Amino acid sequence: SQQGEEDPQALSIQEGENATMNCSYKTSINNLQWYRQNSGRGLVHLILIRSNEREKHSGRLRVTLDTSKKSSSLLITASRAADTASYFCATDSWAGSYQLTFGKGTKLSVIP
Amino acid sequence: DTGVSQNPRHKITKRGQNVTFRCDPISEHNRLYWYRQTLGQGPEFLTYFQNEAQLEKSRLLSDRFSAERPKGSFSTLEIQRTEQGDSAMYLCASSSGQGVINYGYTFGSGTRLTVV
Repeated sequence: SQQGEEDPQALSIQEGENATMNCSYKTSINNLQWYRQNSGRGLVHLILIRSNEREKHSGRLRVTLDTSKKSSSLLITASRAADTASYFCATDSWAGSYQLTFGKGTKLSVIP
Repeated sequence: DTGVSQNPRHKITKRGQNVTFRCDPISEHNRLYWYRQTLGQGPEFLTYFQNEAQLEKSRLLSDRFSAERPKGSFSTLEIQRTEQGDSAMYLCASSSGQGVINYGYTFGSGTRLTVV
């Protein structure tokens, strides 16, 4: 079953603009991760944020986590055409399972 | 080590045939996972190995599916008597970790299965 729900399902922006994607989840988590997937390819790990962290940065990426609202956001600043991809959030839990539970993803299109 | 390698990249098979996919994880990673992804959806967990032991299996993994990881190195995923509903991208990932700590996943590029 899919735990996370990304919002919006699709996002189209101009190059240079910022892109914000949101993720909500249902159960308590250990970590939350964001992945990028180019069409027909595997997933590339972007950033991991632990449940006791509230914000994390990596280059042009900024991730926030609000465990009280069970939500996370991914901000990509100064977007580039090469950022065009689908973005997924994935959670794992303390429940003794090592599986990641993914949302359905946000399809980002950056128009040059 | 160039990451997680999956073979073949694409597989087209007739309904009812058996197929086998291979995954070579990052050599120092003790944990290996298989996921399935259908069009427009996120990946869904199938099974997990720690070294050679298969510790977790999803309800998605029907009796027609079997996975192995002999000697805790590469892994194979076999689907017997394929059905059109098995058409999907099959993703393998590996990670290192101890206990509840997981040090991040690396995914392969996937095997795209089409059942005709």
